[in-house]
Amino acid sequence: EAQVTQNPRYLITVTGKKLTVTCSQNMNHEYMSWYRQDPGLGLRQIYYSMNVEVTDKGDVPEGYKVSRKEKRNFPLILESPSPNQTSLYFCASGGGEKLFFGSGTQLSVL
Amino acid sequence: RKEVEQDPGPFNVPEGATVAFNCTYSNSASQSFFWYRQDCRKEPKLLMSVYSSGNEDGRFTAQLNRASQYISLLIRDSKLSDSATYLCVVNPPPTGNQFYFGTGTSLTVIP
Repeated sequence: EAQVTQNPRYLITVTGKKLTVTCSQNMNHEYMSWYRQDPGLGLRQIYYSMNVEVTDKGDVPEGYKVSRKEKRNFPLILESPSPNQTSLYFCASGGGEKLFFGSGTQLSVL
Repeated sequence: RKEVEQDPGPFNVPEGATVAFNCTYSNSASQSFFWYRQDCRKEPKLLMSVYSSGNEDGRFTAQLNRASQYISLLIRDSKLSDSATYLCVVNPPPTGNQFYFGTGTSLTVIP
């Protein structure tokens, strides 16, 4: 089954404790992207990647890192999370014009 | 100015009603437009692409008005299962690698 797998689904952490949210797709897509969704602000792009070892900033990259060492994986790294990064995060991969989303990660930073 | 703007609603309509949503975009050179559907805090899913000539899929019709820089989604004969948030998405130039999402329009279809 074609899918984008994100883990974990829920994560509660404390300020400053490094964390990684994983994202994996099995559709051989070159394009992958991370978004955060906040009430009243909609989905905002954090980072995207056009292929292995090619990543670019989206609209809200501050406080985040990504890596694309393999085509299927695109982890999101928060080196020192802060409360303003509490949000619902979605990973997506793209084939043609269509974006396929993971099921989301609800992150709470205390 | 935001890349994409939508009326957040909520729209509460009875079953069988026709409802329309509009979405405006700021970059006049944009070529790719989409409507996504999102159920409560779940992942967005593509509903339909929006072409210059319009696009119809069953009860759903999407249209593009380039002169006024807006896209629309029309839902006819609303069903309870249409209750969701509808997201307008624009993929502007030059790279085409950044998808801009509207904040979404909430629809509730009432029995």
